[in-house]
Amino acid sequence: GEDVEQSLFLSVREGDSSVINCTYTDSSSTYLYWYKQEPGAGLQLLTYIFSNMDMKQDQRLTVLLNKKDKHLSLRIADTQTGDSAIYFCAESTDGATNKLIFGTGTLLAVQP
Amino acid sequence: EPEVTQTPSHQVTQMGQEVILRCVPISNHLYFYWYRQILGQKVEFLVSFYNNEISEKSEIFDDQFSVERPDGSNFTLKIRSTKLEDSAMYFCASRTDRSSYEQYFGPGTRLTVT
Repeated sequence: GEDVEQSLFLSVREGDSSVINCTYTDSSSTYLYWYKQEPGAGLQLLTYIFSNMDMKQDQRLTVLLNKKDKHLSLRIADTQTGDSAIYFCAESTDGATNKLIFGTGTLLAVQP
Repeated sequence: EPEVTQTPSHQVTQMGQEVILRCVPISNHLYFYWYRQILGQKVEFLVSFYNNEISEKSEIFDDQFSVERPDGSNFTLKIRSTKLEDSAMYFCASRTDRSSYEQYFGPGTRLTVT
């Protein structure tokens, strides 16, 4: 069945780059997403990538997709304390429903 | 900026009681979703809704659950007879139409069943 896995925790210093990794099992995944959840808040869509792309950049965020290894990463450049949150990887397949299958989430702690 | 809203933010109920969780999706969106997150676990898909009917539901979404769009703005999730294991954060989401793959989430309702 579909499964999405992430490491649970990442700690970085302010100003460094953060790289959050995700693996998925469904080879028919068409869209892959990164969501951010701050304490007490909902899920904020950060970015997403189509499976026919290798990379997508959006300001400080870079998404890399290795479709052969079913590996997705999110790089945050110049990480700030405001980036401290849980980051969820999610995937969906094409179709009318577009339901999202989420990973476990990675807690990013940014040390000043 | 338009956003998905949910009420209440926290609901406490006794086992066996019915609860209704409410969501107001973004106004021009056509697809609506409910997800839940049990504490410490993954966010799980429950149900999707389009054109006034369920388009897909998960195994979790059994006969105790129902969804409704009672008017042009609200989207509700009803749990008929709550169980302890229904305690979770429930998220509503919406997206514009089939050409868009961006789902926008509300802040969630924390349901506590005692």
